[in-house]
Amino acid sequence: DAKTTQPPSMDCAEGRAANLPCNHSTISGNEYVYWYRQIHSQGPQYIIHGLKNNETNEMASLIITEDRKSSTLILPHATLRDTAVYYCIVNDGTYKYIFGTGTRLKVLA
Amino acid sequence: EAQVTQNPRYLITVTGKKLTVTCSQNMNHEYMSWYRQDPGLGLRQIYYSMNVEVTDKGDVPEGYKVSRKEKRNFPLILESPSPNQTSLYFCASRRTGSSNQPQHFGDGTRLSIL
Repeated sequence: DAKTTQPPSMDCAEGRAANLPCNHSTISGNEYVYWYRQIHSQGPQYIIHGLKNNETNEMASLIITEDRKSSTLILPHATLRDTAVYYCIVNDGTYKYIFGTGTRLKVLA
Repeated sequence: EAQVTQNPRYLITVTGKKLTVTCSQNMNHEYMSWYRQDPGLGLRQIYYSMNVEVTDKGDVPEGYKVSRKEKRNFPLILESPSPNQTSLYFCASRRTGSSNQPQHFGDGTRLSIL
């Protein structure tokens, strides 16, 4: 069973911020939150990860709630090329990964 | 360029004919893993390897074998493929020295077993 819950799909207007939520209510103290995306059937692409502090890189921002039970991936200015399936995963550095079915984001022109 | 390379990218074959999908990474990563992806089911982990000669089962290992004789290679072996193994397969690797390192994925191998 997936340890995270994501909405199956979302739409976003091009140029606007895309906010993708993820629920991980059973996360443990040493588990990181990772986000990947998959465009069409290509290999998943790493986006960002964090433990408890908010993180930002050139692709996105990750906001983790104080209780760590949920997080939001923010794509600040979505483009058509951001249309993809986005996966939220929690992992403590051990070797089993559970991906779930992700959120299908469609960026609309 | 840092990458995970899978071969072949596409394969159509018949039930029972042994096949091997190769995976190679050039990043000196200790950890490697295989996933399969089926419509509506997301990515499911088949096998993983923490280092050379160390492998373990993921969530869906039935019908598959792996080996890790060298650090850079992690082949996936289907000894007697069946139609229910028709799927899109991904290999991934990551460094294990720091536990929070992300995985790097290959471009995928689409297998069709007739």
